[in-house]
Amino acid sequence: DAGITQSPRHKVTETGTPVTLRCHQTENHRYMYWYRQDPGHGLRLIHYSYGVKDTDKGEVSDGYSVSRSKTEDFLLTLESATSSQTSVYFCAINSKGAYEQYFGPGTRLTVT
Amino acid sequence: AQSVTQPDIHITVSEGASLELRCNYSYGATPYLFWYVQSPGQGLQLLLKYFSGDTLVQGIKGFEAEFKRSQSSFNLRKPSVHWSDAAEYFCAVGAGSSGDKLTFGTGTRLAVRP
Repeated sequence: DAGITQSPRHKVTETGTPVTLRCHQTENHRYMYWYRQDPGHGLRLIHYSYGVKDTDKGEVSDGYSVSRSKTEDFLLTLESATSSQTSVYFCAINSKGAYEQYFGPGTRLTVT
Repeated sequence: AQSVTQPDIHITVSEGASLELRCNYSYGATPYLFWYVQSPGQGLQLLLKYFSGDTLVQGIKGFEAEFKRSQSSFNLRKPSVHWSDAAEYFCAVGAGSSGDKLTFGTGTRLAVRP
């Protein structure tokens, strides 16, 4: 296992509320990623980080923000959750010099 | 921009039969290619990867994949499927830089008949 945990694993929230998902790694990897998985779309990149305080947008970043104040933690925030953000969210990591990514167990988020 | 197409949404095979899952990519240079598997309710597990060299790569769980540049394909194969192989399979392409973003296909769901 790649040493990635995600919390919470399941969450139900109401439209308009803020939500923060946490990804924690024990591998000291430089790169971290947030994806969402939806039927018929595969995995789509939301945001990624290439170091502490260094982040950038992916293809579906609208409505999401991220922060990385420590190497081991990468936070994904939905400032005001909408029903279209109901999804399964995966965090991934890879190390400097590597090309493949390793995934966490996922967080299932339902916005009602 | 890179892209990945998995033309088969669902495939059903009988246990013990051979399997081939198709993956076509679009990328201007030599791509870095991956296959991942996702069991129900689980995260994604790396099955195999291709960076360079031998175009036939071996992975875990008895899977292999062949890179064919002329066809822009990276098809996944297994000679004899087991019931435990029922899962969703994702092909992904990267541009070949460390830490690079990956682009995923939409996945192929495999069902295995007893």
